[in-house]
Amino acid sequence: EVMLTQSAEEVKEPGEPLKISCRGSGYSFSAFWIGWVRQVAGKGLEWVGVIYPGDSNTRYSPSFEGQVTMSVDKASSTATLQWNNLKASDSGMYYCVRVGEMNVLLAPLDQWGHATLVTVSS
Amino acid sequence: DIQMTQSPSTLSASVGDRVTITCRASHNVNLYLAWFQQKPGRAPKMLIQRSSILESGVPSRFSGSGTGIEFTLTIAGLQPDDFATYYCQQYKSYWTFGQGTKVEIK
Repeated sequence: EVMLTQSAEEVKEPGEPLKISCRGSGYSFSAFWIGWVRQVAGKGLEWVGVIYPGDSNTRYSPSFEGQVTMSVDKASSTATLQWNNLKASDSGMYYCVRVGEMNVLLAPLDQWGHATLVTVSS
Repeated sequence: DIQMTQSPSTLSASVGDRVTITCRASHNVNLYLAWFQQKPGRAPKMLIQRSSILESGVPSRFSGSGTGIEFTLTIAGLQPDDFATYYCQQYKSYWTFGQGTKVEIK
């Protein structure tokens, strides 16, 4: 069974750094793009970025470019999303997602993690 | 950027009803359109990809159609488990989602 297991909820203050993670299992982790989608109440679903574990190639949404950094550890089948300097506007539910075709970038996001809730507030 | 617009935003229906949700793309996405169902507190679940291909395990009362810029999701005979929010998603140019259609009990 394909699973994307995400790290726990985070509550942070503005200006703090943060790293959230997602471990893939039940499939060939290195062969599928993996990434992140944010959901904020009232703003729907937005893709953040994706990374290819095979060579760490990345694609960022223009809305998130420069604001976040994605990385991947093939040995532990884990993808990471990090912020160096959180803002209140970074708050939201962050879903780990898999791009649903092997070695293909543009395919539907077929598998979703359970989400990591990030709350940034002073 | 390809924008996706769903209608209606909310739909009130009864068990057994046939419901249709429309999704319009700002640019041609060919058949690169998926539909998702999301229930409160849960992750979205893909129902349909490539406009009309049902995912394994999805009941046959769900169907999708369309190409280019206009797509529809139809639920033929609404069941209690179907009350949820539905999203379309294009994957022709990265990924963008419609704003969602909440199907609620009339």
